[in-house]
Amino acid sequence: DAMVIQNPRYQVTQFGKPVTLSCSQTLNHNVMYWYQQKSSQAPKLLFHYYDKDFNNEADTPDNFQSRRPNTSFCFLDIRSPGLGDAAMYLCATSGRGEGGDQPQHFGDGTRLSIL
Amino acid sequence: AQRVTQPEKLLSVFKGAPVELKCNYSYSGSPELFWYVQYSRQRLQLLLRHISRESIKGFTADLNKGETSFHLKKPFAQEEDSAMYYCALNTGGFKTIFGAGTRLFVKA
Repeated sequence: DAMVIQNPRYQVTQFGKPVTLSCSQTLNHNVMYWYQQKSSQAPKLLFHYYDKDFNNEADTPDNFQSRRPNTSFCFLDIRSPGLGDAAMYLCATSGRGEGGDQPQHFGDGTRLSIL
Repeated sequence: AQRVTQPEKLLSVFKGAPVELKCNYSYSGSPELFWYVQYSRQRLQLLLRHISRESIKGFTADLNKGETSFHLKKPFAQEEDSAMYYCALNTGGFKTIFGAGTRLFVKA
């Protein structure tokens, strides 16, 4: 089945220790998104890639970076995780379109814990 | 500011009863609205979108621009409808704004 795959499902890291979360897709979608979701809150968009074009949300902390080496893969790097970065991180994709009005396909998420 | 409000964190109904999950949005232009659903131990997935005007799993949602609402309705709830429901707004760019979600619990 074509899908969005996130690894790992659970990630534990130490305060201040860099961590990378990964996302891959077999849908051949040109847009990939990263969301942060804290407990009982709405998913919050961090950034997205439209093909190779990176778009950062204005309120995304500098601590968060992303890489998209090819169509299939996208990474979320947290350079120096703080306790407030503990959350579920969701990757999503959407298909070709001029805007973001295409439905998004989500991965299972990676739950990040900070010690 | 663009915003999506789901006023109920939890909605509990009996099987067979009608259900309405409320969603209000704040946006002055022409919105694209979606309902996403997350069943237990499953990923977030699209339930329906307003431009499709279709019924999915018995659910419908009508965009009311006057009331800036996009409530999700089903005439007869089933136990398998128990899930987390998110209303989402797209304003034409690539940013989709999600509501905080409503957990629907359908009791037998």
